[in-house]
Amino acid sequence: QQQVKQSPQSLIVQKGGISIINCAYENTAFDYFPWYQQFPGKGPALLIAIRPDVSEKKEGRFTISFNKSAKQFSLHIMDSQPGDSATYFCAASSNTNAGKSTFGDGTTLTVKP
Amino acid sequence: EAQVTQNPRYLITVTGKKLTVTCSQNMNHEYMSWYRQDPGLGLRQIYYSMNVEVTDKGDVPEGYKVSRKEKRNFPLILESPSPNQTSLYFCASRTMGPYEQYFGPGTRLTVT
Repeated sequence: QQQVKQSPQSLIVQKGGISIINCAYENTAFDYFPWYQQFPGKGPALLIAIRPDVSEKKEGRFTISFNKSAKQFSLHIMDSQPGDSATYFCAASSNTNAGKSTFGDGTTLTVKP
Repeated sequence: EAQVTQNPRYLITVTGKKLTVTCSQNMNHEYMSWYRQDPGLGLRQIYYSMNVEVTDKGDVPEGYKVSRKEKRNFPLILESPSPNQTSLYFCASRTMGPYEQYFGPGTRLTVT
């Protein structure tokens, strides 16, 4: 049973547009929700993360929106650039089982010039 | 430079031939994990370790073994590899506090 569902699987956006990737989770014990960015041939790297005590976190052009009641969180990339073209993974983990992490299936983002 | 290293980066082997993928981190992190990445399936956790001699199963542990005899090293062992273990493998580490994971560069394994 997949605990973190990510959509869409792929996304094409024009340069300057807004990219939005969504994730939904099932386990209410999750208390840490990161987004990782992966370029071809590289390992994933942390992009931005949020805890459930806030509804939004912004870092530069990247924003996480978090809806605890709906058990959903999303990544918004403002003013998308060709250099943002990568695969994005949402993830979730819990302090009660700190070693375990659950990832979404990933979204391949292509930003067209 | 703080990093997670994996070796080898690429490996082609045959069914049933035991292999080990090494992972080492220089950040003194307590937690280490192994993941496999397959198209359309994201990253699935194989095993994780919370400290030396403390390991636990992730979501897809079948066919894999791990050990954590030293804090910095966390090798992944495939005793009898099968073609369905052909995948891209990542090792990751993090501290006990912030949950950010640091990933290695990946090992692409092909089992024929």
